[in-house]
Parts: sequence; C-alpha cells; structure tokens
Amino acid sequence: GAVVSQHPSWVICKSGTSVKIECRSLDFQATTMFWYRQFPKQSLMLMATSNEGSKATYEQGVEKDKFLINHASLTLSTLTVTSAHPEDSSFYICSASTTRHNQPQHFGDGTRLSIL
Amino acid sequence: AQKITQTQPGMFVQEKEAVTLDCTYDTSDQSYGLFWYKQPSSGEMIFLIYQGSYDEQNATEGRYSLNFQKARKSANLVISASQLGDSAMYFCAMRGGASGSARQLTFGSGTQLTVLP
Repeated sequence: GAVVSQHPSWVICKSGTSVKIECRSLDFQATTMFWYRQFPKQSLMLMATSNEGSKATYEQGVEKDKFLINHASLTLSTLTVTSAHPEDSSFYICSASTTRHNQPQHFGDGTRLSIL
Repeated sequence: AQKITQTQPGMFVQEKEAVTLDCTYDTSDQSYGLFWYKQPSSGEMIFLIYQGSYDEQNATEGRYSLNFQKARKSANLVISASQLGDSAMYFCAMRGGASGSARQLTFGSGTQLTVLP
C-alpha cells in the first residue's frame, strides 16, 4: 500500500538548535501534505497544510517563523523547527494523500522531538 | 465547520469479545468521508476503515466494521473478537467536501482501548 516515510524517528537536541523533519511519499505524488503535532494522550492537532510549489497554510496560533515548511517536490515536504526550546518538545507527524475523496491520508511514523 | 466527538476516553474489553467505539460527527457538507485510525503506543497512525457519506452499506474490513447511521450522524467502530494487540488509541476522523482537493482531516479526541487477557 501507499507508504509515507518520516525521518528522523526521534531527536534529542539542545535548546536553540534548529531541527529539520522530512516527510516523503514513497509511491505516489502528494500535492498536499499535512503536519500535525500531538501531545501525550491527546489528539492530533493540525499545524499546517503543505502545498507543493507554494506557501504552506498555517493554522491559527501556529508561528510561521518558528515552524518553517517547505514542499519543494511532489514527494517531499520538510518541517524545520527553528531555534527550538523545551516547549517545542512533542510528537510531530506528517501525512499525505491524493485528491481522491475516498482515499485515506497515509501517515509517517512520526518524530519524537525532545529539546533539552 | 466540522466536528468529531468521541465520548469514551477509555474502554476495556475482554479478549475475544466484541467492542464498540463511539463516534458522532457534525458537518454541513453533503459529501464527506469518515475514517478510523489506530495509534499504538509506538505512535504510528494505522488506517483501519473508511465510510463514504453516500455509501449505502456499512464498511467492513476483516474484524473491523463501521456502524454508519447517517441520520444520527454516528460512525461507530466495531471490533470483533478482540485481541491483545488491539490495545491502542483509536481516532475517528472526517474529511469533508467533494473530490478534487486533498482536504485535511478533523480528528476526534480518541478512545484508549485496553484488551484484557
């Protein structure tokens, strides 16, 4: 089936570091990818919609300058957490889908980010 | 605006028994899709089952079935013959609008299912 690869699986880094997370659709072209953030025992919170070749659409309350999204090709979107701080520690997960209404979004395995 | 409600924060079921996880939704879209995902403790989101708003029959996928009651706006997930490996968080989600654009999913708050031996 369709596969979305997300890398890295987990990151531990010092405060002030920028961290880049990659999301790749391996066997289909994804014009749109989604980035979510999830706190423990909570639901997925949509951060932004990543559109190939154009600017991402951010949800209300999500800092564009903190969470940089680039969708340079039909198979790759990246999320960069800039100057990360401990409060940015979370589980980040991406998804991709085709435009077909009855096709599910396929998710990456997520990235656990811990900022010390 | 779309909204998904899962009223059961946690559920317990005995191994080999069936369990129903509740999901109600609200939308003004005429065409929409309903999805169930399973998230084990490792974090990955596993797609389980899909129901389209115009589908006349309830969706089934192996041990999973979706009890779709459109008038009541409910889309409950039924897991038959529960297994220990079914212990996980389960999310109900909805995607609205017509085909032609990749639209975002709206998620419920989730139900933590624990299967007891």
